Amino acid sequence: AQSVTQLDSQVPVFEEAPVELRCNYSSSVSVYLFWYVQYPNQGLQLLLKYLSGSTLVKGINGFEAEFNKSQTSFHLRKPSVHISDTAEYFCAVSSNAGGTSYGKLTFGQGTILTVHP
Amino acid sequence: DADVTQTPRNRITKTGKRIMLECSQTKGHDRMYWYRQDPGLGLRLIYYSFDVKDINKGEISDGYSVSRQAQAKFSLSLESAIPNQTALYFCATSDPGTGGEGYGYTFGSGTRLTVV
Repeated sequence: AQSVTQLDSQVPVFEEAPVELRCNYSSSVSVYLFWYVQYPNQGLQLLLKYLSGSTLVKGINGFEAEFNKSQTSFHLRKPSVHISDTAEYFCAVSSNAGGTSYGKLTFGQGTILTVHP
Repeated sequence: DADVTQTPRNRITKTGKRIMLECSQTKGHDRMYWYRQDPGLGLRLIYYSFDVKDINKGEISDGYSVSRQAQAKFSLSLESAIPNQTALYFCATSDPGTGGEGYGYTFGSGTRLTVV
């Protein structure tokens, strides 16, 4: 079985400040990791993904995330946020091995990022 | 047209009614999924289908059923709707052949269902 915990349900931040959204996962097998963003009244859009290789992953809109296998974490960061980054962010995990979790995304609870002027 | 289309976009229904949410895709993917989103709970998997003849329960399938009418169509039914099924429902497709499991997930825009 696999699970994802997003450690902060809400993160308020001022415009142009840095931000980190925290994500920890649990899995008995190797995983792929993802961050999705959901803007108000919209569907989910992929921000970035870790499949293999470099543990630092760069995504769209200036976001990046670092896979830390020893700490089972995949935190999302942006050095300077904009008002338009206000949205809900979801961390997700998918098994890359066989078993009952194969091919399915398991999501965290979501973190609402609010950027204030 | 969107790659994954969900209908209706919004629906209000009464307790005890049967309701169907529809999903169609033009991605040509074999794998399709239904998720439910609730505030503070993220997205939870209801049902998934890895091909037309393969239907599997997710973590919260009670009170729901699905039908995979074709590779491109995957419908979710609430047999007898109850208020705690009020939620945002998402359909998604994936193609593991494009670079790894989960690489090619595409989500629809969602159906907001209210049960009164």
